[in-house]
Amino acid sequence: GAVVSQHPSWVICKSGTSVKIECRSLDFQATTMFWYRQFPKQSLMLMATSNEGSKATYEQGVEKDKFLINHASLTLSTLTVTSAHPEDSSFYICSVMQGNTGELFFGEGSRLTVL
Amino acid sequence: ILNVEQSPQSLHVQEGDSTNFTCSFPSSNFYALHWYRWETAKSPEALFVMTLNGDEKKKGRISATLNTKEGYSYLYIKGSQPEDSATYLCAFSTGTASKLTFGTGTRLQVTL
Repeated sequence: GAVVSQHPSWVICKSGTSVKIECRSLDFQATTMFWYRQFPKQSLMLMATSNEGSKATYEQGVEKDKFLINHASLTLSTLTVTSAHPEDSSFYICSVMQGNTGELFFGEGSRLTVL
Repeated sequence: ILNVEQSPQSLHVQEGDSTNFTCSFPSSNFYALHWYRWETAKSPEALFVMTLNGDEKKKGRISATLNTKEGYSYLYIKGSQPEDSATYLCAFSTGTASKLTFGTGTRLQVTL
């Protein structure tokens, strides 16, 4: 299956700053990548679908101006949390899909803590 | 709102015990049911993807069944080993393969 690498694994930042998380598909050309978020004791929730060369598709309730997604190449998607606040502290994880059944291959995830 | 329910939330068994978990999902407009294993500090790893009612899949000591009419799937682990310790997630999709809805997972701990 696809190998996905995510960076950084964890990041601590001050409130009001912006944080960029990178998701790389190392051996698979991904026209689409998926960004999920997980709050403590909750399930993985899809935030947005990143589309290579075009705008991302955001799920209901996810602010596109706050969570900027760029998918400029077939191997790299980035998620930027702008003007981060403590309530944005969460676990963010990206994935790519292979096959027609929708099997996902995930990155390692990034834990964001906003002070 | 499409809900996926997993039970139990957590489970603690001894090495050699067999165990099983349940995943319940809405049965309408079903497309696929996924099971993932998520070990601490690693990426979730796909175990099974099932699409047909009555599907049974097996990988080593782990197997899964699917009932799309009543909206449930079981994951079985035979002869649990410490390396089976992980969180087991199920997820389903409706109508299209691209959007998965995940459950909160069952956290399994296997001790010697």
